[in-house]
Amino acid sequence: SAVISQKPSRDICQRGTSLTIQCQVDSQVTMMFWYRQQPGQSLTLIATANQGSEATYESGFVIDKFPISRPNLTFSTLTVSNMSPEDSSIYLCSVDASTDTQYFGPGTRLTVL
Amino acid sequence: AQSVTQLGSHVSVSEGALVLLRCNYSSSVPPYLFWYVQYPNQGLQLLLKYTTGATLVKGINGFEAEFKKSETSFHLTKPSAHMSDAAEYFCAVSDSGTGNQFYFGTGTSLTVIP
Repeated sequence: SAVISQKPSRDICQRGTSLTIQCQVDSQVTMMFWYRQQPGQSLTLIATANQGSEATYESGFVIDKFPISRPNLTFSTLTVSNMSPEDSSIYLCSVDASTDTQYFGPGTRLTVL
Repeated sequence: AQSVTQLGSHVSVSEGALVLLRCNYSSSVPPYLFWYVQYPNQGLQLLLKYTTGATLVKGINGFEAEFKKSETSFHLTKPSAHMSDAAEYFCAVSDSGTGNQFYFGTGTSLTVIP
């Protein structure tokens, strides 16, 4: 398995601002994933982040709104840009630790006012 | 394309009773199947998974699930519910192989009645 941490654990932000969420894993992994979980909903994949290449975004998500960095094999960031109340969600990162299984971080709970 | 259907968005059981959470999947290739649990204000924790081999898989906290190919199902069970089992449960499917996309069901909220 992998141990994953996220910062911040929660935040309250003003409309129009941006928030960068950090995801740190305790081992080197090739693939990291970012998900959004809207209130009372299931998980929706935002993008897949491989080290050394551009992130791959799912339908409905764009790089300008959710820029992602993946500078090394243990770290990634997701930025939620120009936020609106509709961006209020839990944002989760996960990793595929070469065992066909995704392991999740504790999530970042974002509220946009 | 893969998809997951979880029947029953809310399930209530009495403490000590059988827990049964239903999951059906659609996959064009042999699937990998997973159950995750999400406790309030926490991330997702892997309960158990099926990849290959024995179709009855045992997980943490006394949960188990059986892969039934003919029924395209992967239902989660626990013989005796405990108050601490109250949480949100997600079934997920992926193509076999590392790094393939996961598809999650809509989740089932389990309430345990004392």
